[in-house]
Amino acid sequence: EAQVTQNPRYLITVTGKKLTVTCSQNMNHEYMSWYRQDPGLGLRQIYYSMNVEVTDKGDVPEGYKVSRKEKRNFPLILESPSPNQTSLYFCASSSIAMGTHEKLFFGSGTQLSVL
Amino acid sequence: DAKTTQPPSMDCAEGRAANLPCNHSTISGNEYVYWYRQIHSQGPQYIIHGLKNNETNEMASLIITEDRKSSTLILPHATLRDTAVYYCIGYYSSASKIIFGSGTRLSIRP
Repeated sequence: EAQVTQNPRYLITVTGKKLTVTCSQNMNHEYMSWYRQDPGLGLRQIYYSMNVEVTDKGDVPEGYKVSRKEKRNFPLILESPSPNQTSLYFCASSSIAMGTHEKLFFGSGTQLSVL
Repeated sequence: DAKTTQPPSMDCAEGRAANLPCNHSTISGNEYVYWYRQIHSQGPQYIIHGLKNNETNEMASLIITEDRKSSTLILPHATLRDTAVYYCIGYYSSASKIIFGSGTRLSIRP
């Protein structure tokens, strides 16, 4: 089954304790992206990747890191989480083969709480 | 990416057609119009997309005006399961940044 898998689904942590949210897709998609969703602010893009070893900042990249060492994985790293990073996070992927964006597939989300 | 404008909320009676409007007056010639929906706090789900022509699939129909400045998503026979936030977004076929707005919260009345 084609899917984007995020882990964990829920995470509670404390300020400053490094964490990683994993994202994996099984569709051989080139494009992957991370979004955060906060009440009243919709989905905001954090980072995206057009292919392996190619990453770039979205609209709200501060406090986050990503890596794209393999095509299927795109982990989101919070080196020193702060309470303002408490949010619902979504990973997404799509094919851009032949230069044409296909539809985005989203993961189920990760609800992060930073105390 | 094209800036889109949607009403914050709408409601529709169950069994009737739900028509969700979207204005995208700044859309450029090769930007597609995509519609997604998000049920509660689940990941957004793709519904349909188009460039110039009207499109239909098993979920919905998309009507794009001739000047491409607006579009309407039509759910032909709305059910309670269609209650969701619907997002209209515009982006190039080779886009990197894909920006979601606040969407329209659709409520279906029994």
